Amino acid sequence: DAMVIQNPRYQVTQFGKPVTLSCSQTLNHNVMYWYQQKSSQAPKLLFHYYDKDFNNEADTPDNFQSRRPNTSFCFLDIRSPGLGDAAMYLCATRRVGTSRSTDTQYFGPGTRLTVL
Amino acid sequence: GDSVTQMEGPVTLSEEAFLTINCTYTATGYPSLFWYVQYPGEGLQLLLKATKADDKGSNKGFEATYRKETTSFHLEKGSVQVSDSAVYFCALSSGGFKTIFGAGTRLFVKA
Repeated sequence: DAMVIQNPRYQVTQFGKPVTLSCSQTLNHNVMYWYQQKSSQAPKLLFHYYDKDFNNEADTPDNFQSRRPNTSFCFLDIRSPGLGDAAMYLCATRRVGTSRSTDTQYFGPGTRLTVL
Repeated sequence: GDSVTQMEGPVTLSEEAFLTINCTYTATGYPSLFWYVQYPGEGLQLLLKATKADDKGSNKGFEATYRKETTSFHLEKGSVQVSDSAVYFCALSSGGFKTIFGAGTRLFVKA
């Protein structure tokens, strides 16, 4: 029944070693988001895809990239992780363009990234 | 720009106590309002939502009413349980792609 799936749930990487986090969805939603969350603070939006259109937040570091090869999958690539990138990374999906009653963002369980 | 302000935590209650977590918002449009809950080590789960003034969202004993006149969406539960211990986020969406989150309120419920 899982609707937004994130793999792995826990990821350990070394300082400077590239890492990829994945997200998949079974909801057929047209928007997919990546958030960074530290210490149960409010999630910070990194970027989102509306279909194939990529939208980067102005303050997202260049170190963070994303790919969406199809509707169901979206990847977060961290090219050279620093100690400050240790966080929970949350994927979310949403169907934009429907009625307000069904327009809701759904989150995956998150990937906890540790940088050694 | 749009913003959400919610009461600072942590909030500590005994089991079966009444819960209120205050949330107020500022929005230029006519937003939809949400409460999300985050259990330790998990992602955010939608708890309830309301899309227009005077709507009441409810789920699992939690309720919140969309008050346009006071720009508020306070979360309430009549009798909390230990299993309700979590972080609660109030959020709004004004159309467009972004959801604006409050800072979160951590709730501890003691047995």
